[in-house]
Amino acid sequence: DIQMTQSPSSLSASVGDRVTITCQASQDISNYLNWYQQKPGKAPKLLIYDASNLETGVPSRFSGSGSGTDFTFTISSLQPEDIATYYCQQYDNLLTFGQGTRLEIK
Amino acid sequence: QLQLQESGPGLVKPSETLSLTCTVSGGSISSSSYYWGWIRQPPGKGLEWIGSIYYSGSTYYNPSLKSRVTISVDTSKNQFSLKLSSVTAADTAVYYCARYEQWLVRYWGQGTLVTVSS
Repeated sequence: DIQMTQSPSSLSASVGDRVTITCQASQDISNYLNWYQQKPGKAPKLLIYDASNLETGVPSRFSGSGSGTDFTFTISSLQPEDIATYYCQQYDNLLTFGQGTRLEIK
Repeated sequence: QLQLQESGPGLVKPSETLSLTCTVSGGSISSSSYYWGWIRQPPGKGLEWIGSIYYSGSTYYNPSLKSRVTISVDTSKNQFSLKLSSVTAADTAVYYCARYEQWLVRYWGQGTLVTVSS
C-alpha cells in the first residue's frame, strides 16, 4: 500500500499570506497526485490534478508542484474563503488520501 | 448537470450489513470513460477510499476493507451500490458516492451519515 504523509496537520495564517502544504508518498508515484479542498459539511472539491494542473474555474492563487515522492500545494495569497481542510490523493496504485491539513485564519 | 444522490439507512446495528445506493442523474453510468465508487469520512477525520466499479462490473477495493466490501452496479436503474458487512462503531462515517475520471473525482454526492449503534 502507498502511504501519503501530509504536513502540517493544521496551519494558521493571515489573509494575504503565502501558504504551503506538503505531501510525501511512501514510494514513487510519478505525478499521479491530486489536491482537494473540503469545507465543513460539504463534499471535497478538486483543485489540482496530476500534481500541477489547475482545475477549470479554480483561482490562480492555488498551485501544485512536485513529482516522485515529494509534492507541494501553495496558496499564493490566502483569502478568507480559503478556510478549509486540504487533502492530497495519490492514484498510482489504487487510491490513498493524505490525512488532511486544516487551514485557519490567524 | 451530473448529480449523484446517496440513499439508505442512517442507522445500522453492529455486526449487520451496511447498504447504500447511489442514483446517478444527468449522465449514464454506462459511459466507458468513468469509474464509480465510494469514499467515506468518519466524523472529524479524514477521507478513506472504499472502492470503485466500472459499468461492466470490474471492481477495485481498498485492501483494508476488501474482505467486507461489495460494490455492484445496476445499469438499468443508473445506480450503483455499496454493501459493507460485519460493521462496528469504527464504520460510522459520512459515505460519499463519486464519479472517477482517471482516478480523480470531479463529481460527488452530498454524502450520507451512517451511524453504527445498537
